[in-house]
Amino acid sequence: AQSVAQPEDQVNVAEGNPLTVKCTYSVSGNPYLFWYVQYPNRGLQFLLKYITGDNLVKGSYGFEAEFNKSQTSFHLKKPSALVSDSALYFCAVRPVDTGRRALTFGSGTRLQVQP
Amino acid sequence: KAGVTQTPRYLIKTRGQQVTLSCSPISGHRSVSWYQQTPGQGLQFLFEYFSETQRNKGNFPGRFSGRQFSNSRSEMNVSTLELGDSALYLCASSFVGGANTGELFFGEGSRLTVL
Repeated sequence: AQSVAQPEDQVNVAEGNPLTVKCTYSVSGNPYLFWYVQYPNRGLQFLLKYITGDNLVKGSYGFEAEFNKSQTSFHLKKPSALVSDSALYFCAVRPVDTGRRALTFGSGTRLQVQP
Repeated sequence: KAGVTQTPRYLIKTRGQQVTLSCSPISGHRSVSWYQQTPGQGLQFLFEYFSETQRNKGNFPGRFSGRQFSNSRSEMNVSTLELGDSALYLCASSFVGGANTGELFFGEGSRLTVL
């Protein structure tokens, strides 16, 4: 069975500073990895995904994530945070080889960007 | 292109009642998945439908059921509601084809409150 760990319940960062939201995963075989963002009372919005190839993945709104197979990590990053980035962020995984499309999500990390 | 549409957005039921939630996927998406989101348990996979057939099921009791119609629209039903069923129910659709790497696109959710 696969699992995702987001070790920080909340991350606080000042506007204009770089941000990192951490994610580690456990899966049998190769993973598909995803980041989603959720604003209050809204559904989840897709940010980016890692399928294969380049370990640095670029996504929406200036976000990027780095896949590290040896550390089984997929940390979300942004060079310069905006107040509007404040939201709940979820990392998710599913194994490549099963054909199942169901995602296993982490517990979420609340990002708070202070002006 | 219209997004995933879920109805109703909010509803209040009492214990013992049943509820039906509806989901219309993005045009061309034939896979529909359902997730339950609660503060305590986070995001949990309920089931996935593709071509009117349930393909995968999460670890939920039989009171939770679903179906998919020939136009890919999906409904989920919860019978004999319990207080613990209060949650945000999220529907997600995805394109199926090729390498099957498609991300999930989520609706805004149906917030169910059980009194």
